[in-house]
Amino acid sequence: QKEVEQDPGPLSVPEGAIVSLNCTYSNSAFQYFMWYRQYSRKGPELLMYTYSSGNKEDGRFTAQVDKSSKYISLFIRDSQPSDSATYLCAEYSSASKIIFGSGTRLSIRP
Amino acid sequence: DSGVTQTPKHLITATGQRVTLRCSPRSGDLSVYWYQQSLDQGLQFLIQYYNGEERAKGNILERFSAQQFPDLHSELNLSSLELGDSALYFCASSPQRGSNTGELFFGEGSRLTVL
Repeated sequence: QKEVEQDPGPLSVPEGAIVSLNCTYSNSAFQYFMWYRQYSRKGPELLMYTYSSGNKEDGRFTAQVDKSSKYISLFIRDSQPSDSATYLCAEYSSASKIIFGSGTRLSIRP
Repeated sequence: DSGVTQTPKHLITATGQRVTLRCSPRSGDLSVYWYQQSLDQGLQFLIQYYNGEERAKGNILERFSAQQFPDLHSELNLSSLELGDSALYFCASSPQRGSNTGELFFGEGSRLTVL
């Protein structure tokens, strides 16, 4: 079993829709939970990080962590074509390893 | 621009050959991470260095090796290359040893094609 599971997509939604991206993880030692965004032919860049269970909001983006079920989500409101990218969840353990999910390819149709 | 520089951007070579990928971290960052990204495996952690010393190891093959030099740049050496080694290789850096917030700054990657 992979430490981090993520649906690879692709996911295609119309502009303005609410997008939900999800990951599950198996290692209870993970302490930090991140979402990275990767545009085509570019390196990933950090979008959001959370430490505890609950929600964290940043503009149109909301990250949600449920440690009891080992489930993390990223919601994008009022999605824009510029949000089209691959979104990778990542988890960080005390062993200093940051483990990435395989990424979900998202396309926002104008 | 993340401030992390990787060279070369593209590399085409043959099976059995050896290549070296180079990474210059952001100014002041002490930790360097190497990741391999392929279509079917996602972003796989290879190895991390902190201030010249190996800090953590992931799924790095024995044919691969890395080091971080006193000026903090890092090199990833891939030898006896196989077709399956074709991938994007990313370097990332962070200021701290353990990257407390999980924020890594990635370079734009080196695309390796093994023919």
